[in-house]
Amino acid sequence: GQNIDQPTEMTATEGAIVQINCTYQTSGFNGLFWYQQHAGEAPTFLSYNVLDGLEEKGRFSSFLSRSKGYSYLLLKELQMKDSASYLCAVVDSNYQLIWGAGTKLIIKP
Amino acid sequence: DAMVIQNPRYQVTQFGKPVTLSCSQTLNHNVMYWYQQKSSQAPKLLFHYYDKDFNNEADTPDNFQSRRPNTSFCFLDIRSPGLGDAAMYLCATSGKDSGANVLTFGAGSRLTVL
Repeated sequence: GQNIDQPTEMTATEGAIVQINCTYQTSGFNGLFWYQQHAGEAPTFLSYNVLDGLEEKGRFSSFLSRSKGYSYLLLKELQMKDSASYLCAVVDSNYQLIWGAGTKLIIKP
Repeated sequence: DAMVIQNPRYQVTQFGKPVTLSCSQTLNHNVMYWYQQKSSQAPKLLFHYYDKDFNNEADTPDNFQSRRPNTSFCFLDIRSPGLGDAAMYLCATSGKDSGANVLTFGAGSRLTVL
């Protein structure tokens, strides 16, 4: 079967750095997305990785290792507004999007 | 601004009473999706359209139907809602962004079944 694993919940301090990991086992790979979802709202696109390496976009960076079936989302200079769920999603060989259950990130002052 | 709009944002219905949720988009995307998302769970794909080609996920219950009368609009019909159908229903469209088919979501319709 196809599987995306992320930690259920993480806590971090305002101003700090946090890394949210995602491991996947899918039938093929055609890219990996990270989405941010605030409570009661729709997911919004953060990043897309299809090649190995680090993609940086402001305070957020996303890393991919296809050989390890592994990605992480790195959030720097955390702000209270970063409190949200972060969803990892993988595009499989049939171009279907396989979603993880999300990691709830709690930011404390 | 180009966007995806869902109505209603909040829907309360009684057990077994049909419900229709709507989605409109101004992005001119040819692919539209309906997802069901329950609390702390991954979004679950119910249907998607590539233009007018309809694709039904194998495990989507028959209780759920969809219509796409034109490029801009898509509807989700729940014929006889049960308590287990209470969820957030997300409409999304896809186009090309940064070389990938990025999904743009509407704000969602939260369904409560009494």
